[in-house]
This record gives sequence, C-alpha cells and structure tokens, in this order.
Amino acid sequence: DAKTTQPPSMDCAEGRAANLPCNHSTISGNEYVYWYRQIHSQGPQYIIHGLKNNETNEMASLIITEDRKSSTLILPHATLRDTAVYYCIVRVASSNTGKLIFGQGTTLQVKP
Amino acid sequence: NAGVMQNPRHLVRRRGQEARLRCSPMKGHSHVYWYRQLPEEGLKFMVYLQKENIIDESGMPKERFSAEFPKEGPSILRIQQVVRGDSAAYFCASSPPTGRGAGKDTGELFFGEGSRLTVL
Repeated sequence: DAKTTQPPSMDCAEGRAANLPCNHSTISGNEYVYWYRQIHSQGPQYIIHGLKNNETNEMASLIITEDRKSSTLILPHATLRDTAVYYCIVRVASSNTGKLIFGQGTTLQVKP
Repeated sequence: NAGVMQNPRHLVRRRGQEARLRCSPMKGHSHVYWYRQLPEEGLKFMVYLQKENIIDESGMPKERFSAEFPKEGPSILRIQQVVRGDSAAYFCASSPPTGRGAGKDTGELFFGEGSRLTVL
C-alpha cells in the first residue's frame, strides 16, 4: 500500500470548515483513499473513502486531485466534538490483505 | 444491529499472568483484525484472521502473543506472561467477507471500543 503524508497538527475555529490535506504521491491505480478518525480513547471511526471522484456523505467531503497524488478531507462546519486524530490511508478495496496501516495522522483541535 | 463488541473493556493483570481479550465481530462479518495502541502512540496492526485461519500475523510479537478466531465464538487475543510493556489499548475490527455474493464491499473496517490492559 502506498504511504501517506499528513501535517501532524491543525487548529480550526468552531463552525468553520476544517480542511485536512494528505499527500499520497505513490498511489496506484487500484488504490482507494480512506479517511478514519480516532476521538480520544475511542475506537477508530470510518469517515469516507474515494477512488478518483470527489465524494460527500453526511460527515464530510473528500476532494481528490486529478492526478490522485493528494486529497483533502473537508469537515464543512467543525464542532468541538470533531477534535480527533484524522488518518489518511490508501489501500486496495476488497483486498485479501484486509488490513489498514495507520500513520501518525493529523491531530485536529477545534477551538471555541 | 450491534457493532463490534470487545470485552473486557478494562483488564488489570500482574506481571507473569495471562491476559485474554475477546472480540465478537459484527453480524455477518468473517474477517477480524487486532490492533495495539501503546500510550501516546499510533495504532499498530497485529494480526488479521478469518474463520479458523490466520491470514496475516506480520505485526504479532514473536513470543507470548497468539490469536485465534474459531468457527464458533469470538476471536481471542491471548497474551501469556504479561509484562509492563504490554500495557496498551487493544482494538479489534471486523469486515464482511469479500468476493462473489458478499454484496457491496467498501473495504471499510468497523472498530470496537477497545480493551485496555494494565499490567502492574
């Protein structure tokens, strides 16, 4: 699986959009971009994933560049409960290897 | 529709004792993964199992640690002769079977809330 690079930490004001970048310059054509988050002491939570098109769900939007070498997770209206470590992971969906490899992620601090 | 269930949520052991952590995957899921998170560190993959088979144990310590996922019952992560360095949160995740008939497979893993092991 390709490696990802994320900034170690970011701050965001409550109510504003949080834009979390991720670089994955060695991504392969069949690898998806996944985003998970871990709120303090809880189990990781799936947020969203995509291949090449932009994706949106009730939690967030995922913007993937045309060359697929980077992506941005957008939380449109951050709340204090969105304070967490956000992980960007690339892997092949439905892969028999199954596992996700977590990096260090980005610690997002949402401030009032 | 219950999520991934882990127990115990908290376990205290003295050095040299055994720790057994259990994980019941989501209904219909036949793949289980175990991760370890040491204090103030990231999630580290340990082992990936399907029913009665270990698929990938590349993250398992060579000694004292073992995992199983029997045909019936939960997956078990077993740590023998625990040491203080084993103190950590252990997370289990599950995913549905892949391949024909599995329905839509997003590649998503569903995590439990973890079991926190403290070794005195």
